[in-house]
Amino acid sequence: DTGVSQDPRHKITKRGQNVTFRCDPISEHNRLYWYRQTLGQGPEFLTYFQNEAQLEKSRLLSDRFSAERPKGSFSTLEIQRTEQGDSAMYLCASSPGTSQNSPLHFGNGTRLTVT
Amino acid sequence: AQSVTQLDSQVPVFEEAPVELRCNYSSSVSVYLFWYVQYPNQGLQLLLKYLSGSTLVESINGFEAEFNKSQTSFHLRKPSVHISDTAEYFCAVSESGGYQKVTFGTGTKLQVIP
Repeated sequence: DTGVSQDPRHKITKRGQNVTFRCDPISEHNRLYWYRQTLGQGPEFLTYFQNEAQLEKSRLLSDRFSAERPKGSFSTLEIQRTEQGDSAMYLCASSPGTSQNSPLHFGNGTRLTVT
Repeated sequence: AQSVTQLDSQVPVFEEAPVELRCNYSSSVSVYLFWYVQYPNQGLQLLLKYLSGSTLVESINGFEAEFNKSQTSFHLRKPSVHISDTAEYFCAVSESGGYQKVTFGTGTKLQVIP
């Protein structure tokens, strides 16, 4: 169990640029989640995958955001035409999905700064 | 829709003193409740969880939380804190049934003063 891995740890980009983050979940975890955390707030749910299927997207996820999980393993989160309001910590979590109450295992996050 | 309220954004406490971090939730169905901890420069980690059964749950490092259905609360307590407990603590809820969408509170920063 090597834990959930996120890359990069930090990303600084100019407004209007596109960025892509990667998440490698714990192997054999079939559930994968993306959350966003801004200063002074708790993690906010963005989207959820069961294997390769994206089953729910939050209203926080505007059309500029897209997430994929090809082959049900790693996942990517892309933000197009970034805005300063997108600056946040983007967290990925996975869980085994063997029961409804499996705890989430979080990565260390990717901190995005949009200048 | 489920929601979580953590009224205290920061709690300073002297080392070896007791502490209580408050958490209240709102949901129209049965819930699972969690406390996650985030140490400086680290990711979120599960501290303890309530799923069913005994309303008092404990962690391996001396924290405990009690599920109170009538008050819709899940307060976290520790009788004697250590410097190493300095961290941010998040209460979270998920509704039983479904795929387990977890909703987090805004967090409480526990600062242990030597």
